[in-house]
Amino acid sequence: KQEVTQIPAALSVPEGENLVLNCSFTDSAIYNLQWFRQDPGKGLTSLLLIQSSQREQTSGRLNASLDKSSGRSTLYIAASQPGDSATYLCAVRRGGNQGGKLIFGQGTELSVKP
Amino acid sequence: NAGVTQTPKFQVLKTGQSMTLQCAQDMNHEYMSWYRQDPGMGLRLIHYSVGAGITDQGEVPNGYNVSRSTTEDFPLRLLSAAPSQTSVYFCASSYSRWNSFEQYFGPGTRLTVT
Repeated sequence: KQEVTQIPAALSVPEGENLVLNCSFTDSAIYNLQWFRQDPGKGLTSLLLIQSSQREQTSGRLNASLDKSSGRSTLYIAASQPGDSATYLCAVRRGGNQGGKLIFGQGTELSVKP
Repeated sequence: NAGVTQTPKFQVLKTGQSMTLQCAQDMNHEYMSWYRQDPGMGLRLIHYSVGAGITDQGEVPNGYNVSRSTTEDFPLRLLSAAPSQTSVYFCASSYSRWNSFEQYFGPGTRLTVT
C-alpha cells in the first residue's frame, strides 16, 4: 500500500531564507507527483506537477525534484516571503488510468516570519 | 472558466439526516473525485469517476454514494449522517490531455454533524 510522508510537520523560518520541504513515498511505481498549497480554510492550489520520467519542474521561486528510485521529492522555495505561509501538500498518482486518485501526505505547515 | 465549484460552503446536519454535496466543473475534465480532509488524517479519497456513468470507490467510501450522469456534475450523497462524517469535503477534477492528469480542487464544503 502506497504511503506518503512529509517531514517536518511544521516549519518556521525568517523571511528571505531558502528552504526545502520533503516528501517521501513507499512505492516507487508512481505515474506522477503533484505539489499543492493550502491556505487556512481554503481549497488546494496546484503548484507543480512532475511526471515520473522527469527529474524536476520549476515555477518562479519554486523548484520541485523527483527521485523515483529512492521514493523522494523535494520542494525548494527560494527567498521565502511571508505570503508563502501556508500548508504544503504532496500527492502521488499510481497510474494513468487512475487519473482521479491521489494519495496525499499530511502536509508541512510553513510559517515565514517578517 | 469557473473551475471546480462546490455548494454549500458550510452545512450543519443532525445525526441521521441525509444531504447531497454538489460539485460541478466547466473544464470538460473526464476525471472527478471526492476527498475528505480531517486533522491528523490528511486528505482521503471517498469516491472517484473516470467519466460519465462510471464511478468507483476510494479509500473511505462507507456512508457515501455518488453518481455521474453528466461530465460536469459529480454529487456526493450522505445517506444517514453520522458525527464521524464531520469533515471538510473537497471535490476535484483532472484531465488526461498530454497524459498530465493534473488535478484541480474546489473550495470545499465544511460539514458538521451533531
